[in-house]
Amino acid sequence: GAGVSQSPRYKVAKRGQDVALRCDPISGHVSLFWYQQALGQGPEFLTYFQNEAQLDKSGLPSDRFFAERPEGSVSTLKIQRTQQEDSAVYLCASSISGTGNQPQHFGDGTRLSIL
Amino acid sequence: ILNVEQSPQSLHVQEGDSTNFTCSFPSSNFYALHWYRWETAKSPEALFVMTLNGDEKKKGRISATLNTKEGYSYLYIKGSQPEDSATYLCAFNAGNNRKLIWGLGTSLAVNP
Repeated sequence: GAGVSQSPRYKVAKRGQDVALRCDPISGHVSLFWYQQALGQGPEFLTYFQNEAQLDKSGLPSDRFFAERPEGSVSTLKIQRTQQEDSAVYLCASSISGTGNQPQHFGDGTRLSIL
Repeated sequence: ILNVEQSPQSLHVQEGDSTNFTCSFPSSNFYALHWYRWETAKSPEALFVMTLNGDEKKKGRISATLNTKEGYSYLYIKGSQPEDSATYLCAFNAGNNRKLIWGLGTSLAVNP
């Protein structure tokens, strides 16, 4: 399809394991965003890429969280030494331009459960 | 601290009713206001991106208005249908910061 694709859709991991979440944005979209959504909350910004450049990572909750977009297309969000508080839905969105006045197109999210 | 507030938190209406809800955001350093519709088990769907004070946008039975001077936006749904049941989220974009600050949403349930 032509939308934003995220994988896996669901991920269960034991506390302390590392996980990697993948996002395939819409082809040609310059901007890519990662959000974390806890139950009952709105999306919380994690990080933002413009092409391959990570321009804002102020929302990453700790140095266990790392995101990359090496070729300006697919992005991976990695969480090292997972903790139970990392359990959430992780949403990826892409936007056609680098300005803030274009809509963001979201994937279905990855639901991460840490046991 | 930038804060986006939405009200009401939840709303139950009958099919055919018209309804509206509010998004409040900081009136300083405004750049854009986004509205999204989020159905359970689906991804958020962009409804509107509004940038100009006084702007009004419409998509079918859904419309939105924007007042950047006083810091609020209204979303209207005319003749609600059961398929309109979803959470409606607004998000504020300040200055040239691409980060969106999200409200907690208004959960709408339309009873047939």
